Amino acid sequence: SAVISQKPSRDICQRGTSLTIQCQVDSQVTMMFWYRQQPGQSLTLIATANQGSEATYESGFVIDKFPISRPNLTFSTLTVSNMSPEDSSIYLCSALQLLMQAEAFFGQGTRLTVV
Amino acid sequence: QKEVEQNSGPLSVPEGAIASLNCTYSDRGSQSFFWYRQYSGKSPELIMFIYSNGDKEDGRFTAQLNKASQYVSLLIRDSQPSDSATYLCAVRWANAGGTSYGKLTFGQGTILTVHP
Repeated sequence: SAVISQKPSRDICQRGTSLTIQCQVDSQVTMMFWYRQQPGQSLTLIATANQGSEATYESGFVIDKFPISRPNLTFSTLTVSNMSPEDSSIYLCSALQLLMQAEAFFGQGTRLTVV
Repeated sequence: QKEVEQNSGPLSVPEGAIASLNCTYSDRGSQSFFWYRQYSGKSPELIMFIYSNGDKEDGRFTAQLNKASQYVSLLIRDSQPSDSATYLCAVRWANAGGTSYGKLTFGQGTILTVHP
């Protein structure tokens, strides 16, 4: 399985600021995804990070708030923009190594607290 | 109806017992199913996946899939206190297509506690 490294692992940020989370995979992967897990909740998909093109966002998430980059097959970033306390969550990067019948693996997550 | 729904918890079982976790899903064509375990403060860890009807066994874990009834379950035999965690059921719909392929939809999770 691919090893996924995320950083930072946690951060405390002031409202109104932005934070960029990095996700590095140790091998080329077909798909990369960003999820959010709010306190006590399950995982919700924010967007699919597409290599070389704009990310595909899920309902309720927009590019202005969560800009995503994926410059190559092993790296992606998620920015949480103009943060408010409601953005306090764990943000998780996920990757698929194969196109068919693939199992998704997760990075260790970024625990974000907005004050 | 939610797309993926798990049996309400929390679930508490004694050590050595069988823990049964259930998940139902909306029928949207071909699907793949995954069970993740998440310890508090950690990221989800894949423990089982199943694509075909029937049972799939891996050590103490057995995944059961019944597509006609639209449910998937996870059995944990000889439960141990170290199995205490939140278990997440996830579904991937293969016909999502295009750049949506591969994404997972998660259930709300079931908290399992195995007490000595």
